[in-house]
Amino acid sequence: GNSVTQMEGPVTLSEEAFLTINCTYTATGYPSLFWYVQYPGEGLQLLLKATKADDKGSNKGFEATYRKETTSFHLEKGSVQVSDSAVYFCALSPQYGNKLVFGAGTILRVKS
Amino acid sequence: GAGVSQSPRYKVAKRGQDVALRCDPISGHVSLFWYQQALGQGPEFLTYFQNEAQLDKSGLPSDRFFAERPEGSVSTLKIQRTQQEDSAVYLCASSPMIAEINYGYTFGSGTRLTVV
Repeated sequence: GNSVTQMEGPVTLSEEAFLTINCTYTATGYPSLFWYVQYPGEGLQLLLKATKADDKGSNKGFEATYRKETTSFHLEKGSVQVSDSAVYFCALSPQYGNKLVFGAGTILRVKS
Repeated sequence: GAGVSQSPRYKVAKRGQDVALRCDPISGHVSLFWYQQALGQGPEFLTYFQNEAQLDKSGLPSDRFFAERPEGSVSTLKIQRTQQEDSAVYLCASSPMIAEINYGYTFGSGTRLTVV
């Protein structure tokens, strides 16, 4: 079946540090891949997406590349800010289907 | 409206009580989804509507869970005889596309249900 595995948190970084949150997936065919972010007290927001192999999604300084060969979609940011503190969810939608399958989420805490 | 609106924001129910959770999707959005998010977990799919038709209810955990969208806009998720394991955040999401989510959904802020 379809599944998403992401690194456990919390991840604690100092401001301006480099961020990587690992995400790997299991799916048949060519799923679409997403990163969602959930700020404290708010709903899930789409951060970025990629719909085919080697696509790079990017938004607000975050980026992730769809790697078919390693079934991965790692989230990166070159310099994090305190305002990036949130829970980050990796997700996929199957090639034929419209449900989202989420990972368990990774808490990111950025200290000033 | 500007976003997906869910009500109530918080609900405390006594075990055995029936509850109804409401979702107002973005106007004109065809697709509507319900997800359940347990504490410390990612959201899990419950059910999907395309307009008023419930096309997939494979994620509903038991026959105590029932969802409807009678006019193709507002949707209600009803849980009968609530149990403690039903405690979770219930998320609604909508999309303008039919069976196509490459653009991602827009999620509401959710209803946090606590069963005591």
